[in-house]
Amino acid sequence: ETGVTQTPRHLVMGMTNKKSLKCEQHLGHNAMYWYKQSAKKPLELMFVYSLEERVENNSVPSRFSPECPNSSHLFLHLHTLQPEDSALYLCASSQVRNGELFFGEGSRLTVL
Amino acid sequence: AQTVTQSQPEMSVQEAETVTLSCTYDTSENNYYLFWYKQPPSRQMILVIRQEAYKQQNATENRFSVNFQKAAKSFSLKISDSQLGDTAMYFCAFMKGDSNYQLIWGAGTKLIIKP
Repeated sequence: ETGVTQTPRHLVMGMTNKKSLKCEQHLGHNAMYWYKQSAKKPLELMFVYSLEERVENNSVPSRFSPECPNSSHLFLHLHTLQPEDSALYLCASSQVRNGELFFGEGSRLTVL
Repeated sequence: AQTVTQSQPEMSVQEAETVTLSCTYDTSENNYYLFWYKQPPSRQMILVIRQEAYKQQNATENRFSVNFQKAAKSFSLKISDSQLGDTAMYFCAFMKGDSNYQLIWGAGTKLIIKP
């Protein structure tokens, strides 16, 4: 296992479904991130878990909820999403105070 | 608030040519870091190059180099001898020196290297 692994790579869900994205890092980093990537827009930071502290972007809707059970695993729980939530969701990890992020390949989410 | 602007949504060059991607940023901070990240099609985003604002010398990584103009708040990326594998989205990013985690991202430049 190397780097940052995200599952599933692709997810299609209806607006009433509940699903989760999973991220795992094997780099010994102490910070993990969820980003939303939409076409032609800057990456949007959704959540950070840093040294077991959670920081969130206040503009992220409550239908997204993160979970970080330990420093190696990160989840993004999804419920009652909207079609505009369709995007590529990227997980990343780093050492705190180091802007060198290591990214997973992303989970492509489509909400019907 | 800091902002990062990439004014070229898309560029294309012939293989082996040199290409420069532009990035400008706005900040009142004196201590910060700048980054270029590369995202190949359907592959992971990776860090290409990093520049500390307090360093006057431009960072270089093999065929990749930056032109850091602190007064002009400009941070361009030059790719020499471009290769087909350089085809990717390139993102410029900024981080305050005292930040734990917050990167400010540009919208990206899609670079296509033509054979």
